[in-house]
Amino acid sequence: GESVGLHLPTLSVQEGDNSIINCAYSNSASDYFIWYKQESGKGPQFIIDIRSNMDKRQGQRVTVLLNKTVKHLSLQIAATQPGDSAVYFCAENRYSGGSNYKLTFGKGTLLTVNP
Amino acid sequence: NAGVTQTPKFRVLKTGQSMTLLCAQDMNHEYMYWYRQDPGMGLRLIHYSVGEGTTAKGEVPDGYNVSRLKKQNFLLGLESAAPSQTSVYFCASSRRQTGNYTEAFFGQGTRLTVV
Repeated sequence: GESVGLHLPTLSVQEGDNSIINCAYSNSASDYFIWYKQESGKGPQFIIDIRSNMDKRQGQRVTVLLNKTVKHLSLQIAATQPGDSAVYFCAENRYSGGSNYKLTFGKGTLLTVNP
Repeated sequence: NAGVTQTPKFRVLKTGQSMTLLCAQDMNHEYMYWYRQDPGMGLRLIHYSVGEGTTAKGEVPDGYNVSRLKKQNFLLGLESAAPSQTSVYFCASSRRQTGNYTEAFFGQGTRLTVV
């Protein structure tokens, strides 16, 4: 079936290192992807998004890469800080009929930053 | 600007009891969603609404009902709670998505335990 998934459930990095979180998707018709960060006890928060007509988008310390050939998405966090420790979700804006879309989430990756 | 507000934040129910979770947003968003989050399952869409007076089923709608009588409110009802409905529930809202690209804003979540 069609799904949005993550390669690794957990990732542990040292403070100051770069982090890379991966996501695979199978719906080639999806045209918009979002990365969310969820801290313990809180709701998901928007980090960065990318449209399917782009390969790369940069934000503050974060970069999202989109490889449509292999249906792969990644989130790169530069100089990872303890405050980056959270669960990261990729989400796919999937067409659901008519003029409607709905957001479908992957299972998430837990990022732990060691001091 | 409160964003998306969920009430209550915590609740314990006995099997067979009913309850309603309230979601309110003050951003004049057209779309609203209810998700549940279980360990290792990510966020799964229960029901969603593309506008006042309309609702639609998501991935896991069984055992839940919703209503969108006012644009700013989206209610999630459990008519007869079951232990399998123990979860953290998140409400989200977003601007209209007809070809536009927009992220969803999430509430802080409601932790529901059914015993």
